[in-house]
Amino acid sequence: DTAVSQTPKYLVTQMGNDKSIKCEQNLGHDTMYWYKQDSKKFLKIMFSYNNKELIINETVPNRFSPKSPDKAHLNLHINSLELGDSAVYFCASSQDVTSGAWGEQFFGPGTRLTVL
Amino acid sequence: DAKTTQPPSMDCAEGRAANLPCNHSTISGNEYVYWYRQIHSQGPQYIIHGLKNNETNEMASLIITEDRKSSTLILPHATLRDTAVYYCIVKDFGNEKLTFGTGTRLTIIP
Repeated sequence: DTAVSQTPKYLVTQMGNDKSIKCEQNLGHDTMYWYKQDSKKFLKIMFSYNNKELIINETVPNRFSPKSPDKAHLNLHINSLELGDSAVYFCASSQDVTSGAWGEQFFGPGTRLTVL
Repeated sequence: DAKTTQPPSMDCAEGRAANLPCNHSTISGNEYVYWYRQIHSQGPQYIIHGLKNNETNEMASLIITEDRKSSTLILPHATLRDTAVYYCIVKDFGNEKLTFGTGTRLTIIP
């Protein structure tokens, strides 16, 4: 009954490779997010999708491409991985406040990406 | 570009109330105060939010000063499982963007 799930939990890969991280939420939420937490523990938003449409893009390199096949899934594809991409990536979801919800975000367990 | 200031770390004895302060002197009238926490190696977890009235839920209480320039998150009976980094975030109610600062690392001492 996991609310927000991510796969894989750990990802170790070489520089230059392309990799994807998957995220699924079973909460029926309309909005999903990707956050990056670097080695200094700074947590920063990357993208946000609402009903499969991109609504926030925080100046992330073009190598990062989110894809939302439906509103329960938001995957993150990263091309040409660089050393600086090593971080923990968190997916989150929330319900629209227009529906009467508080808008709190529910986070997944994170994917630790290590680029060698 | 977080709009809040929090002490970097605090300790609290197990069973006592943990009071975590947050300054947000530039808060605007339509911005809410949200609190999240991140337990080691886990995703952040929503705790509570408020606009100007004090709020309480099953996890914590939130006290917001009358001028709204600061607030305090209170964990009434801290347990070891409350050891985490606590983030105070100010944002518009309908704004999906959470801007995390450096937070307060709260350590509960047995």
